[in-house]
Amino acid sequence: AQRVTQPEKLLSVFKGAPVELKCNYSYSGSPELFWYVQYSRQRLQLLLRHISRESIKGFTADLNKGETSFHLKKPFAQEEDSAMYYCALHGGSNYKLTFGKGTLLTVNP
Amino acid sequence: GAGVSQTPSNKVTEKGKYVELRCDPISGHTALYWYRQSLGQGPEFLIYFQGTGAADDSGLPNDRFFAVRPEGSVSTLKIQRTERGDSAVYLCASSASYNEQFFGPGTRLTVL
Repeated sequence: AQRVTQPEKLLSVFKGAPVELKCNYSYSGSPELFWYVQYSRQRLQLLLRHISRESIKGFTADLNKGETSFHLKKPFAQEEDSAMYYCALHGGSNYKLTFGKGTLLTVNP
Repeated sequence: GAGVSQTPSNKVTEKGKYVELRCDPISGHTALYWYRQSLGQGPEFLIYFQGTGAADDSGLPNDRFFAVRPEGSVSTLKIQRTERGDSAVYLCASSASYNEQFFGPGTRLTVL
């Protein structure tokens, strides 16, 4: 069985502060990990995926297989980063996604 | 280009009624997924189509739920004898490359 855990439902930081959204997963094989973001009144969209190893909007995430984690980080949060963030995993051949419950990030001015 | 579209955006029905939710994927995307998102939860997988066939329907909660994609493009999710517990946002996503899934805006279903 595959499972994604996001321990924080809510996270509030001030503009310019570092932010880390935690994600832990459980999967017996080699998963692909993703972060999806949903801004207010917008649809769910891909932020980044671990195989790309790229930084999007200043966010990075490193897959740590030893700790089974895929935490999302940004050194200096901006107000426009306020959104709902979902960590997701897929494994196997059909690429269905398993999502965490999400973390609502609020960046205060 | 146009993204994934879903209709209706909102659907209110009464317990016991039948509903159909429609998804128009991005043109050319062969893979199509349905997810259900209940309040306070992340999206949960329901069914996956590759072309016209349902390749994985393991997420459908029971036999009241059924989905079709007869021509390999538009898909319809059908729910019979709706129950209050079916109230949720139903999301559709499509994919060409099996990597990035593009999501629609969702249909908010409310069963009274």
